[in-house]
Amino acid sequence: GAGVSQTPSNKVTEKGKYVELRCDPISGHTALYWYRQSLGQGPEFLIYFQGTGAADDSGLPNDRFFAVRPEGSVSTLKIQRTERGDSAVYLCASSSGLAGGVETQYFGPGTRLLVL
Amino acid sequence: AQSVTQLDSHVSVSEGTPVLLRCNYSSSYSPSLFWYVQHPNKGLQLLLKYTSAATLVKGINGFEAEFKKSETSFHLTKPSAHMSDAAEYFCVVSDYDNAGNMLTFGGGTRLMVKP
Repeated sequence: GAGVSQTPSNKVTEKGKYVELRCDPISGHTALYWYRQSLGQGPEFLIYFQGTGAADDSGLPNDRFFAVRPEGSVSTLKIQRTERGDSAVYLCASSSGLAGGVETQYFGPGTRLLVL
Repeated sequence: AQSVTQLDSHVSVSEGTPVLLRCNYSSSYSPSLFWYVQHPNKGLQLLLKYTSAATLVKGINGFEAEFKKSETSFHLTKPSAHMSDAAEYFCVVSDYDNAGNMLTFGGGTRLMVKP
């Protein structure tokens, strides 16, 4: 079946602009995660959704970052007033959310964001 | 709090020789541990995972890892490297709590395979 998809694959924007990054999880997965991977580093957790609600947003770096998942499926990560330091690959992952324990997360290909 | 240290940022081996990628973790609970691989311009792919069953875990493509609680290690091995194994490898720890299983990644080890 289809895996996690993310759009766009690449996004170039100018400092100060607003961007939206989209994640389409595996069908039926209730848990959705966003991570950010800076150049040469491992991914870092941003936010976790269980269904429509953000269960843990402790990884969001500041209030310029926001994410939604209004219908419990597709999620959008929104970044306001982008800064050059926001340049990174933004990864989305999903898991079934049903196991009640540690589950395997399946990752999308990522969106490469470049802020000029 | 959980953390992961990958002891080598780069490892270079010759094709057909063994691979060893080292990982140490820190966790407040009984952790779950994973190894993911990332090929250039591709998504993260799960190689294997440990979730408190057998301490020797077999994964895809001939990789395996051994959970050693006394050493807080979860090293990844493969008996014979193949050119297609060249990629970035991430050791990952997760503590499940009521808020879900946030993954904490190590800094990654780039594996280079020489012909």
